[in-house]
Amino acid sequence: ETGVTQSPTHLIKTRGQQVTLRCSSQSGHNTVSWYQQALGQGPQFIFQYYREEENGRGNFPPRFSGLQFPNYSSELNVNALELDDSALYLCASSWFSRSNTEAFFGQGTRLTVV
Amino acid sequence: QQPVQSPQAVILREGEDAVINCSSSKALYSVHWYRQKHGEAPVFLMILLKGGEQKGHEKISASFNEKKQQSSLYLTASQLSYSGTYFCGTEIQGGKLIFGQGTELSVKP
Repeated sequence: ETGVTQSPTHLIKTRGQQVTLRCSSQSGHNTVSWYQQALGQGPQFIFQYYREEENGRGNFPPRFSGLQFPNYSSELNVNALELDDSALYLCASSWFSRSNTEAFFGQGTRLTVV
Repeated sequence: QQPVQSPQAVILREGEDAVINCSSSKALYSVHWYRQKHGEAPVFLMILLKGGEQKGHEKISASFNEKKQQSSLYLTASQLSYSGTYFCGTEIQGGKLIFGQGTELSVKP
């Protein structure tokens, strides 16, 4: 186990609704990155949070937003859900101080939009 | 730019060897390798850095050719537990990774 926990593990939402996913980072890590993984694909980078601020964003629309809290836990919010948002959402925690450090992934939240 | 992995899938018998390749059209500063089993989180295997430094937690070897912008993961004497999907990731900046499409490895008894 990595010490990174995500909740909930599974979620079913209706198109147009909003969803919040949560991630508790590994102890000692100050950076959280979020990824979207469609079935049969590699994880795609959504954004990263460091010291409670967004620190880089992938090719995702503004309806994907996030937060990081003082204890380094994080939330991913998705508004106006679309069918294509159905995927496994992964968070990964790491230590930001330098590049080339490993990221530890949580188990993911499986989101299904119907 | 997403790195390209090859092969897309490979089937092995226990004890056989395999090589998984990862190539990028952009200059690579580091390559990260992860393994993901079905329904589980990706698990860190190794980082390869420019200059030859490696950081890993398992007995898996890999190479990093900076000039060719390629990395290869070597799985020797495969075990059933090696089954899963292997992803390489190239680091954009500060821990932000762009992953390849994955290589599915199946090890049969």
